[in-house]
Amino acid sequence: GENVEQHPSTLSVQEGDSAVIKCTYSDSASNYFPWYKQELGKGPQLIIDIRSNVGEKKDQRIAVTLNKTAKHFSLHITETQPEDSAVYFCAASPGGGFKTIFGAGTRLFVKA
Amino acid sequence: GAVVSQHPSWVICKSGTSVKIECRSLDFQATTMFWYRQFPKQSLMLMATSNEGSKATYEQGVEKDKFLINHASLTLSTLTVTSAHPEDSSFYICSAPPSLGANTEAFFGQGTRLTVV
Repeated sequence: GENVEQHPSTLSVQEGDSAVIKCTYSDSASNYFPWYKQELGKGPQLIIDIRSNVGEKKDQRIAVTLNKTAKHFSLHITETQPEDSAVYFCAASPGGGFKTIFGAGTRLFVKA
Repeated sequence: GAVVSQHPSWVICKSGTSVKIECRSLDFQATTMFWYRQFPKQSLMLMATSNEGSKATYEQGVEKDKFLINHASLTLSTLTVTSAHPEDSSFYICSAPPSLGANTEAFFGQGTRLTVV
């Protein structure tokens, strides 16, 4: 089955700096890679996703890259703000309504 | 985007009792829903796949007789934690894809925090 590894587990940055979170996956059948932000006591919220036919996607301060050959994908947050502080999860799925497997999560702290 | 609603948002129960958690897709039909469990400071671990009109598929290590799943309609799946014990205390989250097309994202409920005392 799919296995998703995520690094780092904790990331602390100064406000305005960039944050990068990296993930790898094992199942070559996975073709959908969402990223979720989870705040304390709440369910995960989708912030950006990328599909296997795309190498990079950007949405304002957030960007995601995918290297399907190497089975790597990354989240980049630029100009970080204190409200970006949360736990971020990468995930992989074969799509089509099939189960999503999550990485272990990265706790991001943005210091004002 | 599509909305998935979970109820209750939190529940406290006594050891040995059963607790039912509901997951509803509010503006779409979901033939499949997923149930996850999340312990503090850990990731979401898939427990089972709920299939409308048929038996749920459980992940390895998840007791199907303890975590009963019923998906009786296209908009509702329920998870019942039977004979709950303190170690079952966790955050339970459901998700549902709005369609079974390729590359479809799943929408998540807000989660249910279960505390067994």
